[in-house]
Amino acid sequence: SQTIHQWPATLVQPVGSPLSLECTVEGTSNPNLYWYRQAAGRGLQLLFYSVGIGQISSEVPQNLSASRPQDRQFILSSKKLLLSDSGFYLCAWSVMNLQETQYFGPGTRLLVL
Amino acid sequence: AQTVTQSQPEMSVQEAETVTLSCTYDTSESDYYLFWYKQPPSRQMILVIRQEAYKQQNATENRFSVNFQKAAKSFSLKISDSQLGDAAMYFCAYRSGDTLAGSYQLTFGKGTKLSVIP
Repeated sequence: SQTIHQWPATLVQPVGSPLSLECTVEGTSNPNLYWYRQAAGRGLQLLFYSVGIGQISSEVPQNLSASRPQDRQFILSSKKLLLSDSGFYLCAWSVMNLQETQYFGPGTRLLVL
Repeated sequence: AQTVTQSQPEMSVQEAETVTLSCTYDTSESDYYLFWYKQPPSRQMILVIRQEAYKQQNATENRFSVNFQKAAKSFSLKISDSQLGDAAMYFCAYRSGDTLAGSYQLTFGKGTKLSVIP
């Protein structure tokens, strides 16, 4: 069966520091991968998605970037964090034989101070 | 652009009773998918149920069922025999069936917070 991991689970970072969040998927090949952000009390906003290694599409221009160095690895990064980057970050995967239904990881809580 | 509206910010239900959460959406497409996700206090998003727009039959998963009204663009979730573990935020989501661009972006509603009263 497929599983998705995210780490770290919680992160507190100072403004201006770099960021690296990692997401990995097990049990499937060539998944589509997604990064979402959820601000407090709000719905989810799609940040990036990837249909293959090295292929990244950005939905919202911002202080963040994403990379996919391996088939089942998706990384969210920032060179300098802003206060507004605080939130809950969720990674998700989907595959064609499951009608591209998205399944989410446990998420990372990021607090920028 | 597609929009998803959940008009009930909060709802409550007595344990063992039935509750219905509302969702409406706006789209000009004929091929799409609709989802209900549950977000418990742990905040992980858990798929509850999926509905393909081309299917007339309402989806059912154990105690969870939907009332899909395509013409009215309505997609409500019914939870039967409510349990304490059903307490969570519930999000309705829409996904286009057009995958030519390679994007399977989900558009989410703002959620309904469900409380279950013992």
